[in-house]
Amino acid sequence: ETGVTQSPTHLIKTRGQQVTLRCSSQSGHNTVSWYQQALGQGPQFIFQYYREEENGRGNFPPRFSGLQFPNYSSELNVNALELDDSALYLCASSPGMGSTDTQYFGPGTRLTVL
Amino acid sequence: DAKTTQPTSMDCAEGRAANLPCNHSTISGNEYVYWYRQIHSQGPQYIIHGLKNNETNEMASLIITEDRKSSTLILPHATLRDTAVYYCIVRPPGQNFVFGPGTRLSVLP
Repeated sequence: ETGVTQSPTHLIKTRGQQVTLRCSSQSGHNTVSWYQQALGQGPQFIFQYYREEENGRGNFPPRFSGLQFPNYSSELNVNALELDDSALYLCASSPGMGSTDTQYFGPGTRLTVL
Repeated sequence: DAKTTQPTSMDCAEGRAANLPCNHSTISGNEYVYWYRQIHSQGPQYIIHGLKNNETNEMASLIITEDRKSSTLILPHATLRDTAVYYCIVRPPGQNFVFGPGTRLSVLP
């Protein structure tokens, strides 16, 4: 069974640029959630995708957007990058949206905005 | 905001049991208690979860008080590789995980 994978591992961008991060969910999982983790803090929920539709969003501006594909992999896009967007971006997949569905996290993408 | 309160940091001697407390006094009847841990710069790792009854798996045991207002995660024989930040999360049905700052556990040789 393949776990959650993310690419790239590290990324450096400059302010104002756009970035796309990718996530492959664990086999059999149809739900993907994205989190942002700033240094020294716990992960913060960005949004969730279930069967290619956005299903819930945290307190993040519209320049954070996403997609989920028919194979349940997902992308996180961030436009007009700001210095505060520097963080570890985590993707988590789960088998559904039930209250007991455990989320399994990938290793993360470390984004640095200069 | 996170619905849990955890100590900022704890130390544990290698080979001894690590007992990590968590307070969740406002927990609702249908909310589960989850524990994750995060080793430096890696993604959070699922440990265990429970509703009312105590739970045990190959990694840890979860003890939930009868009134469900607090719980304890027990690592029975801590090793140096258990050094990590441990997150206790109360998850409302259909909602995503809200992480607090967690407890930084240091296992000492």
